[in-house]
Amino acid sequence: QKEVEQNSGPLSVPEGAIASLNCTYSDRVSQSFFWYRQYSGKSPELIMSIYSNGDKEDGRFTAQLNKASQYVSLLIRDSQPSDSATYLCAVKKPGGYNKLIFGAGTRLAVHP
Amino acid sequence: GAVVSQHPSRVICKSGTSVKIECRSLDFQATTMFWYRQFPKQSLMLMATSNEGSKATYEQGVEKDKFLINHASLTLSTLTVTSAHPEDSSFYICSARVVGTSGFYNEQFFGPGTRLTVL
Repeated sequence: QKEVEQNSGPLSVPEGAIASLNCTYSDRVSQSFFWYRQYSGKSPELIMSIYSNGDKEDGRFTAQLNKASQYVSLLIRDSQPSDSATYLCAVKKPGGYNKLIFGAGTRLAVHP
Repeated sequence: GAVVSQHPSRVICKSGTSVKIECRSLDFQATTMFWYRQFPKQSLMLMATSNEGSKATYEQGVEKDKFLINHASLTLSTLTVTSAHPEDSSFYICSARVVGTSGFYNEQFFGPGTRLTVL
C-alpha cells in the first residue's frame, strides 16, 4: 500500500463545474496535509494546507480533512481551463525533518 | 513572502562533468531544505533533506557521493551532481520549509526547478 494514494486521472470536468480531487493516506498519526498544483514543466505550487478535521476554504478552493477515514480532498469551484494541471496531495511524515510524502498526483483537465 | 529561487533554470552538460545547482530562500530563513528529482510524467522523488550546518540526510537509493549537498547558510543550499551521466538528466527541484513566520506552519515552498540535460 502506498503511503499517499491518488487517482491518476485524468479527471475531466466542464468549465464552471466543481472538480473534486481525493487523496488517502496510510499513516494514521499524520497531522499536516497539503495540496500542490503543478503545471506541465513547472515546479509545484502550494494551494492549500489543512491541519484540522473539517473544511478550509480559500477562494474557489476548499480542502476537506477526515482523519478518522484518513482522507483529504480538494474541491475546486467554478473550474476554469487555467486550473488544468496535476494536483499533488502531500502528507507530512511524523518524526524529524518534516519530510513530505507526495501522492503521484491527479491530472485535472477543465474543458471549455 | 516565502519565495524560493533556483539557479540555473536549465543546464546542458557533457557526460562526466559536474553541475552545481543553487537553491535560495529569498525572504525567509530556511533551516531545512529538500531536494527532489522528477522524471517526465512521474511524481516527485525526494532525494535528500538538507539541514543548515549539518550533513544532509539522503533517501534510500540516492548516492550521497554522487549528489553532494551543502547547506552553508540559512538561505542557501547547493546540490552538485558529480560526474553526470545521461541517466541523471531530470528536473531537479528544491523546496524550503518555512518556520516561525506568521501565517505559516511548516509549509514547504518550491523553487522553479532546474532542468538538467546530460549529453
